[in-house]
Amino acid sequence: NAGVTQTPKFQVLKTGQSMTLQCAQDMNHEYMSWYRQDPGMGLRLIHYSVGAGITDQGEVPNGYNVSRSTTEDFPLRLLSAAPSQTSVYFCASRTPGGAGETQYFGPGTRLLVL
Amino acid sequence: KNEVEQSPQNLTAQEGEFITINCSYSVGISALHWLQQHPGGGIVSLFMLSSGKKKHGRLIATINIQEKHSSLHITASHPRDSAVYICAVMVGGAQKLVFGQGTRLTINP
Repeated sequence: NAGVTQTPKFQVLKTGQSMTLQCAQDMNHEYMSWYRQDPGMGLRLIHYSVGAGITDQGEVPNGYNVSRSTTEDFPLRLLSAAPSQTSVYFCASRTPGGAGETQYFGPGTRLLVL
Repeated sequence: KNEVEQSPQNLTAQEGEFITINCSYSVGISALHWLQQHPGGGIVSLFMLSSGKKKHGRLIATINIQEKHSSLHITASHPRDSAVYICAVMVGGAQKLVFGQGTRLTINP
């Protein structure tokens, strides 16, 4: 299994540009989520999905959109990039219902918005 | 006040020392996770706890539900243990993790 994969690994955007961060998992996990990690702060939940066709907002959803058309893929879209969105983005997956389930994280995407 | 607080924020020790990292939380939880973030940025899950104690190699994690406190211990620390250790709680009844800020551990040879 490849686990959780993310592309790209690094991206530079100009303010106002849009882009999609890709996330895929091959473990048939229902639950997927996107986090951002900023210096001095813990990981913060952006959006999550408990299955194909179902998404919901996390703690910091503004400026981001998600969709979940398949179990495997959970892309994160930046509609109009802002410097405040400079961060490292992690995608994660796990099986649902799962207080007890292991979290699997992707390798991260480092985004710089100029 | 953050719902999940870790201490210390930074810890430097010599190889071989016994390490303790603490995590306190203020909300009802269904589980607590300890994660390790390597210098390269990758995050791996170390433990999930809902009660008691777990051990994996030189790592031991404990949780006291009544005290709302968990500790991660590393015995016979080694430079390869240098990483950021993150505590995260699964808020009771929700599907969401809330993370602490992390503890940066440096083990010097």
